[in-house]
Amino acid sequence: EVQLVESGGGLVTPGGSLRLSCAASGFTFSDASMSWVRQAPGKGLEWVGRIKSRPDGATPGYAAPVKGRFTISRDDSKNTLYLQMSSLKTEDTAVYYCTTAGNFYDWGQGTLVIVSS
Amino acid sequence: SYVLSQPPSVSVAPGETARITCGGNNVGTKSVRWFQQKPGQAPVLVIFYDDDRPSGIPERFSGSNSANTATLTISRVEAGDEADYYCQVWDSSSDHYVFGAGTKVTVL
Repeated sequence: EVQLVESGGGLVTPGGSLRLSCAASGFTFSDASMSWVRQAPGKGLEWVGRIKSRPDGATPGYAAPVKGRFTISRDDSKNTLYLQMSSLKTEDTAVYYCTTAGNFYDWGQGTLVIVSS
Repeated sequence: SYVLSQPPSVSVAPGETARITCGGNNVGTKSVRWFQQKPGQAPVLVIFYDDDRPSGIPERFSGSNSANTATLTISRVEAGDEADYYCQVWDSSSDHYVFGAGTKVTVL
């Protein structure tokens, strides 16, 4: 059974940093492209970015609102996906989900990030 | 950047058919996914490759995609189908994934 478990969310002040993790199990993580998707309170889904599998170059890509501030990385030895967020803004407040980017079939339960002073 | 347009809401009586549209420039040339999301839950993939269903998704859910409009059709609507529905595509020109703004389906 595929499991994706996000962690690392919390309250952070504007301009601060936070690192989210997504622990994966039940599939060959190293072969999978992975994405982060977020959802602001009461709003729709927003793609944040993606990292390809290492065989495909482990290339990251980012949505415009987060490019230059967020960094996606992966540790295939730990089956873990990361989202390093810096220069956080109030509009980054959202539930952050990790998902298998190839098919978006599997999703974690999400972790809430609140950016507020 | 590529934009997908969805109606904010659709209302349907139990047993009837709900149709949710997703408009985009030449969206018919792209592969569309549809997600169902209930309050407090993660999204669930209900349609991929325009009209394929993952295992476990009822046959009542179907999809189509042509020209500038993709459509999710829910036949014989049940109370449990009440949720937000999102369409999504991969935009090759930007190498970005794009979601529509979502449609709230209300079962009367």
